[in-house]
Amino acid sequence: GQQLNQSPQSMFIQEGEDVSMNCTSSSIFNTWLWYKQDPGEGPVLLIALYKAGELTSNGRLTAQFGITRKDSFLNISASIPSDVGIYFCAGPYTGGFKTIFGAGTRLFVKA
Amino acid sequence: DTAVSQTPKYLVTQMGNDKSIKCEQNLGHDTMYWYKQDSKKFLKIMFSYNNKELIINETVPNRFSPKSPDKAHLNLHINSLELGDSAVYFCASSQDRQPGLRANEQFFGPGTRLTVL
Repeated sequence: GQQLNQSPQSMFIQEGEDVSMNCTSSSIFNTWLWYKQDPGEGPVLLIALYKAGELTSNGRLTAQFGITRKDSFLNISASIPSDVGIYFCAGPYTGGFKTIFGAGTRLFVKA
Repeated sequence: DTAVSQTPKYLVTQMGNDKSIKCEQNLGHDTMYWYKQDSKKFLKIMFSYNNKELIINETVPNRFSPKSPDKAHLNLHINSLELGDSAVYFCASSQDRQPGLRANEQFFGPGTRLTVL
């Protein structure tokens, strides 16, 4: 079935560093969503991508919808301590109403 | 103003008990969801309702029963709780039920951490 694979699983970085994480699938997705979950909270949508090749920014965050429609990446520039959390990619499951989520990338930022 | 709210935030109970979690959204959305997040943080859809109609019913034990009294509320009742039910349960809502549309972007509640002893 459709699956989303996120890498890396975890990242430990220094404040001020740039971060890059990605999400891949063997299936085509027509939408890529990036959510962030702060510790003890629910996921919050950061960026939504709806067209292949689309590059979208939200403050220090930039995400791209891969041309093959089988991948997406999320970059965070000049990381700060509040970037700590779990970043999930998500996309629509073909033939149904559900959205599937990747396993997440856990980001740790050292001040 | 809380967009999607859940009660309780924490729930600690004994095996075999029956418990309910409540969810309300004030966004005027038509679709609501229940997700389960396990200890490894995997997020899995359990149920979804659109205008009080069940549209997603994943492979979930029938001890779990959702109820939607109106489109702003989706409650989750769990019978005969088991140790493996311990997890964080998230409610979410979206304007539309069709994935892939902007109107399907989901807003999550803060979660209910269920611990079964």
